Amino acid sequence: EVQLLESGGGLVQPGGSLRLSCVASTFTFNTYAMSWVRQAPGKGLEWVSGISNSGFNTYYADSVKGRFTISRDNSKNTLYLQMKSLRAEDTAVYYCAMPEKDFWGRGTLVTVSS
Amino acid sequence: DIQMTQSPSALSASVGDRVTITCRASQGISNFLAWFQQKPGKVPTRLIYASSSLQSGVPSRFSGSGSGTEFTLTISSLQPEDFATYYCLQHNSYPLTFGGGTKVEIK
Repeated sequence: EVQLLESGGGLVQPGGSLRLSCVASTFTFNTYAMSWVRQAPGKGLEWVSGISNSGFNTYYADSVKGRFTISRDNSKNTLYLQMKSLRAEDTAVYYCAMPEKDFWGRGTLVTVSS
Repeated sequence: DIQMTQSPSALSASVGDRVTITCRASQGISNFLAWFQQKPGKVPTRLIYASSSLQSGVPSRFSGSGSGTEFTLTISSLQPEDFATYYCLQHNSYPLTFGGGTKVEIK
């Protein structure tokens, strides 16, 4: 069974930065593209960013382009999301996922507030 | 970018009702379409993949259809445990996009 474990969420002030991590286990991490998906309180699912299995290709939703950076370290089976210039509207549960394959972590809550 | 327009955004139905939810893609996505169910405080779970293939373990009252730009999720006879929010996801191309969701409530 695929296991994805996120960490790094928390409370941050507007304009601040945060880095999320996701450790993957029980599957061959370096063969799969990965994504971050978020869900604001009471709102729908929003795909945020994706990265190819090699890390060479990265993709972003318009809402985070230029502020968030996705990366991966295949030697550590770890996916990252560096978030900068955070806004109140970035408040959400962030899931590490392969949504097209129905693999999801449990999520980590990011709260942007002063 | 491909936009996914999901309708309705909410519906009220009774146990035993037939329920239909639609997603329209702004451009063709072949059959790269999945349907998810999400209950409050829980991680989404996939019901349908490749537009019409039933996920293992999902009751047969759920079905999906469509190809190209129009897709449908049908619940043939709504059960109490089906009251939840449903989302479509296109994964034909990046950026991946979810539909806005359909909240199915008890009438």
